[in-house]
Amino acid sequence: GAVVSQHPSRVICKSGTSVKIECRSLDFQATTMFWYRQFPKQSLMLMATSNEGSKATYEQGVEKDKFLINHASLTLSTLTVTSAHPEDSSFYICSARDSVDTEAFFGQGTRLTVV
Amino acid sequence: QKEVEQNSGPLSVPEGAIASLNCTYSDRGSQSFFWYRQYSGKSPELIMFIYSNGDKEDGRFTAQLNKASQYVSLLIRDSQPSDSATYLCAVASYNQGGKLIFGQGTELSVKP
Repeated sequence: GAVVSQHPSRVICKSGTSVKIECRSLDFQATTMFWYRQFPKQSLMLMATSNEGSKATYEQGVEKDKFLINHASLTLSTLTVTSAHPEDSSFYICSARDSVDTEAFFGQGTRLTVV
Repeated sequence: QKEVEQNSGPLSVPEGAIASLNCTYSDRGSQSFFWYRQYSGKSPELIMFIYSNGDKEDGRFTAQLNKASQYVSLLIRDSQPSDSATYLCAVASYNQGGKLIFGQGTELSVKP
């Protein structure tokens, strides 16, 4: 299957700092990328959908000024968690697909811990 | 009502048995249906996808879709301990830009 690479896999940051997570599609053009957050023992919650060259569409309840998403190219999307707080500690996962008819492939996920 | 619902489990089956995982969805306009497997601490991996009513088989896995009943299932034959994981049902609809909406997942435990 297609490869989606997400970095870093694990990050610890201090409260109040910002963290950037990268998601790259390695062997296909990712027209659309999705960002999810998953808390322990819970399912994936969609945070936002980003299409290349467009502003991201955020789900209800997700602060767009806090979770900045950039999808500047067909192979790269970034999620920046700004002014992180301990409650932002979670497993963040990106997924990418090349068209609405195809399946989405997931990155390895990023375990964020804010201390 | 949640958009995608699954029994959270845990579902426990003996090795070699058939595991049956169920999922219902609320959006009748949904077109694409996916089953993902997620091991603890890892991201989901795609097992199967299905678009049309009926059955779709791939090795030990069979996905079943019934759009009239808004129901999709996954059968795992000859279950192995390595199949123990959380299984996530996901649904996509063109009405919602094709975004994947996940159920809460069913934890499966296959006992040797």
